[in-house]
Amino acid sequence: DTAVSQTPKYLVTQMGNDKSIKCEQNLGHDTMYWYKQDSKKFLKIMFSYNNKELIINETVPNRFSPKSPDKAHLNLHINSLELGDSAVYFCASSQEGGLARETQYFGPGTRLLVL
Amino acid sequence: AQSVTQLGSHVSVSEGALVLLRCNYSSSVPPYLFWYVQYPNQGLQLLLKYTSAATLVKGINGFEAEFKKSETSFHLTKPSAHMSDAAEYFCAVSSNSGGSNYKLTFGKGTLLTVNP
Repeated sequence: DTAVSQTPKYLVTQMGNDKSIKCEQNLGHDTMYWYKQDSKKFLKIMFSYNNKELIINETVPNRFSPKSPDKAHLNLHINSLELGDSAVYFCASSQEGGLARETQYFGPGTRLLVL
Repeated sequence: AQSVTQLGSHVSVSEGALVLLRCNYSSSVPPYLFWYVQYPNQGLQLLLKYTSAATLVKGINGFEAEFKKSETSFHLTKPSAHMSDAAEYFCAVSSNSGGSNYKLTFGKGTLLTVNP
């Protein structure tokens, strides 16, 4: 059973389109995250939710809107896609989110290519 | 702000040779440090983490790392490289992002290639 899953795995779309990426975790964790990995493999956190509440919101354009319908799901909606949004987006989860020593468990990633 | 720096974006070793991947941290408080591995086209997997319990941390797949406060380092080692170790390795520090919320701040990664 996949602990953290993401759909779709690949996403190719045109500039200006709106797209969503879905993430689900079956670990019973309270906290979920979205990270962006750019073409140089640099990983940066975008958002974090704890029990459906947004707790981390890094300097991300407001075209990106996360939504957490329940604590097992965290979706990422992107409006008006731009070329610079092309990246790999990783979802992750951790048990509580309030402990510095917690391990984060990552999904397989969604590879987004904007043409 | 807490950060990590990985020295060397690419390390190449022969199969059976020692693997040494370098990570230095910057932190005003005792850090929690992690090493993650990313195999091609996959997500990140935890190799090991330092949580102040012991300075020498053993992880999966024969990897270990030693926390050295005097050198602000947390280098990753493996005595004998295997072809299957070829991957991207990330050092990360857990940093406070406000209140009781924590995030991982990653280094830029080190690509390990293993030559037969």
